[in-house]
Amino acid sequence: EAQVTQNPRYLITVTGKKLTVTCSQNMNHEYMSWYRQDPGLGLRQIYYSMNVEVTDKGDVPEGYKVSRKEKRNFPLILESPSPNQTSLYFCATRPLHTGIRGDQPQHFGDGTRLSIL
Amino acid sequence: RKEVEQDPGPFNVPEGATVAFNCTYSNSASQSFFWYRQDCRKEPKLLMSVYSSGNEDGRFTAQLNRASQYISLLIRDSKLSDSATYLCVVNTGGFKTIFGAGTRLFVKA
Repeated sequence: EAQVTQNPRYLITVTGKKLTVTCSQNMNHEYMSWYRQDPGLGLRQIYYSMNVEVTDKGDVPEGYKVSRKEKRNFPLILESPSPNQTSLYFCATRPLHTGIRGDQPQHFGDGTRLSIL
Repeated sequence: RKEVEQDPGPFNVPEGATVAFNCTYSNSASQSFFWYRQDCRKEPKLLMSVYSSGNEDGRFTAQLNRASQYISLLIRDSKLSDSATYLCVVNTGGFKTIFGAGTRLFVKA
């Protein structure tokens, strides 16, 4: 079964305590991406990766880091979390190649709800 | 101006009604377009891709107007289970993805 797995699903932590949210996919997709979702703002892209060791900033990268050492994993790192990073986070993946009619759609993980106190 | 704009709604419609959502985008270089639905802060799920020629999937019809830079979603014969938030999604050139803020739909018995 095709899966995008995020861990943890829920986390309450304190300001400044480094944390990592993991994302793993079993579809052999090249493209992976992280989003955050806040009320009234929709999903906003944090970082994306086109393949191993290739990453780029989305619209809201400040305060986040990512790495792509393996094709299946794309962890999101908050080195020094702050309360304004309290949000619902989604990881997504899709094939990089474009079909005849355009990009393939993205598949999303179940989400990670982070609360930074 | 937001890169992708949607009417936030909510749209309140009775079962069996036809409802239409529009979405406008500002980047004329945008290449791929999608409609997703999202239930109660769960993960977004693909409803349908949107093609230049327009496409239909059962009760759902999507259309793209590149000249006017908008996409639309038509839902016919609304069901209670269609109640959700509908997200307009645009892939711009360079691998970025922009989401609209979503349109809330409530279908009432």
